[in-house]
Amino acid sequence: QVQLVQSGAELKEPGSSVKVSCKASGGTFSTVALSWVRQAPGQGLEWMGGIVPIFGTANYAEKFQDRVTITADESTTTAYMELTGLRSQDTAVYYCAKDRGGGSEYFQYFLDLWGQGTLVTVSS
Amino acid sequence: QSALTQPASVSGSPGQSITISCTGSGSDIGTYNLVSWYQQNPGKAPKLIIYEVKKRPSGVSSRFAGSKSGNTASLTISGLQIEDEADYYCCSYANSRGVFGGGTKVTVL
Repeated sequence: QVQLVQSGAELKEPGSSVKVSCKASGGTFSTVALSWVRQAPGQGLEWMGGIVPIFGTANYAEKFQDRVTITADESTTTAYMELTGLRSQDTAVYYCAKDRGGGSEYFQYFLDLWGQGTLVTVSS
Repeated sequence: QSALTQPASVSGSPGQSITISCTGSGSDIGTYNLVSWYQQNPGKAPKLIIYEVKKRPSGVSSRFAGSKSGNTASLTISGLQIEDEADYYCCSYANSRGVFGGGTKVTVL
């Protein structure tokens, strides 16, 4: 059974960067779209960006375009999300999620498998 | 890309039906049938319950039904049960990017 396992919680200072990992196991990795979604405390879901590992280039939400970098390592079946210039408003749970696939588009946003989430706390 | 618009809360009694709306624009819901819905319980990751407007993943109850008209998608929960109390989010493809709704809290009275 495919699983997505994320790295552990992080405490970061304002202005610093964080890099969260998402390791896929038990299934196809290279040809599925992986998205990163965040959820601030008590708030809704927010799509940040995504990647199809075999292509290597990522797709970002306009809001995060200047601060986020999403990458994937096919050899370790791990995706990464790096967010720079952290501020208190970036305190959130960050999820990676896999697209269901099977359609004409890699990115359909039918996110049928989610990681357990990584809490990133930004505080001085 | 602006977030899709959902009501903040919807409530109903056990056995009733409720409908959650999700309003977008011609750049997302109005153009693409790439609409999905997620159920999220407190402290848990979201769970996909509807994809491609009205399809249900294996294992999801037939009490959940999706539809779309114009720029608005809808999720109907029939035969409301206590365990349906959760947050629900819609999501749409929008010019290669994804966009979520603000979420709807469903309360079972």
